[in-house]
Amino acid sequence: GQNIDQPTEMTATEGAIVQINCTYQTSGFNGLFWYQQHAGEAPTFLSYNVLDGLEEKGRFSSFLSRSKGYSYLLLKELQMKDSASYLCRDKLSFGAGTTVTVRA
Amino acid sequence: DSGVTQTPKHLITATGQRVTLRCSPRSGDLSVYWYQQSLDQGLQFLIQYYNGEERAKGNILERFSAQQFPDLHSELNLSSLELGDSALYFCASSVGWTSESYNEQFFGPGTRLTVL
Repeated sequence: GQNIDQPTEMTATEGAIVQINCTYQTSGFNGLFWYQQHAGEAPTFLSYNVLDGLEEKGRFSSFLSRSKGYSYLLLKELQMKDSASYLCRDKLSFGAGTTVTVRA
Repeated sequence: DSGVTQTPKHLITATGQRVTLRCSPRSGDLSVYWYQQSLDQGLQFLIQYYNGEERAKGNILERFSAQQFPDLHSELNLSSLELGDSALYFCASSVGWTSESYNEQFFGPGTRLTVL
């Protein structure tokens, strides 16, 4: 996606924590979305941030700093089923996605 | 189930052909978005319609076109197909359009297009 950067791959152990960073450069910011996508399936919505700070939803949390153009998705107590691609989105642009592999 | 439907689920065709992909948004959603996702690639935004009118255009080829009908369903037409057009094509819908502060997109299951 244009002007949205996130790491390509991350690997973590079951039960651990992983943080996926996303940086964006855009004007007229209207919030940042995070999606999960399993291979061959549709993306599903995880979280939305429009104000600075942390939004917590169970094992998943998302953080936003508007002044830094930066967000992260925090996945806690990783499970094997969390192995997927995680995409951040700003308006119509998606990042290329971060493939998270959870190992036993 | 997101409430967004797409047909067909799979489509196999030959180079040079023309295909039409169909999308029905969630009940009440006025915006429809089309995305292309090639193998191991991110989601590339193609085009957005809001209540029948084109609202935004992304990296959509001239060989591709779309429209949204009065009943709000949308069709994506792909013509003069090339091998490189093989991809997953997703449709998404939302209540509003991108200038609003919250615009969650709900994705359909996608159409897998294979061009041989």
